[in-house]
Amino acid sequence: DGGITQSPKYLFRKEGQNVTLSCEQNLNHDAMYWYRQDPGQGLRLIYYSQIVNDFQKGDIAEGYSVSREKKESFPLTVTSAQKNPTAFYLCASSGTGGRAKNIQYFGAGTRLSVL
Amino acid sequence: EDQVTQSPEALRLQEGESSSLNCSYTVSGLRGLFWYRQDPGKGPEFLFTLYSAGEEKEKERLKATLTKKESFLHITAPKPEDSATYLCVAGGFKTIFGAGTRLFVKA
Repeated sequence: DGGITQSPKYLFRKEGQNVTLSCEQNLNHDAMYWYRQDPGQGLRLIYYSQIVNDFQKGDIAEGYSVSREKKESFPLTVTSAQKNPTAFYLCASSGTGGRAKNIQYFGAGTRLSVL
Repeated sequence: EDQVTQSPEALRLQEGESSSLNCSYTVSGLRGLFWYRQDPGKGPEFLFTLYSAGEEKEKERLKATLTKKESFLHITAPKPEDSATYLCVAGGFKTIFGAGTRLFVKA
């Protein structure tokens, strides 16, 4: 089955620790995205990548880092500089060409909490 | 400023009681208006894309419509399994997400 796999489902971070959230897709999509979801708010864009070895900051990139070494993978690192990391993190991907590139498909999410 | 506003924030219906969810948008260079369904603790699931005013899309008990300033998600004779948060998303020069409408359908 084609889709987007996020892991782990739940993650706990200690003070001063960096943690990495995994996102893998087998949809052959060029573009991938990371969003943060907080209660009562719309999804906010952290980082996005339209092609391998290239990525751009979104609206709330501070305290986060990403890499895009393979088309299938777009891991997100939440660094110790992110002072309020508790949230639900969603990874998405979209295709290229015509209207298909506008539709984003999402993974099941990772819930990050601070110990 | 680009924005997407969904109303109401929460909607409680009895099974079979039809209603509509509203999405008002102000987005530069609109390329598409998207509706997603999100269940608690899960990622959003794509439902519809609307590209031009007057367009309508249907799927089971759901119908989405689009005007130049709003989109509506009509739910006909809802069932408890339709309970979820429905997200409206405007794709323009930027992708803007609404905060969602939480729908509760009671049997």
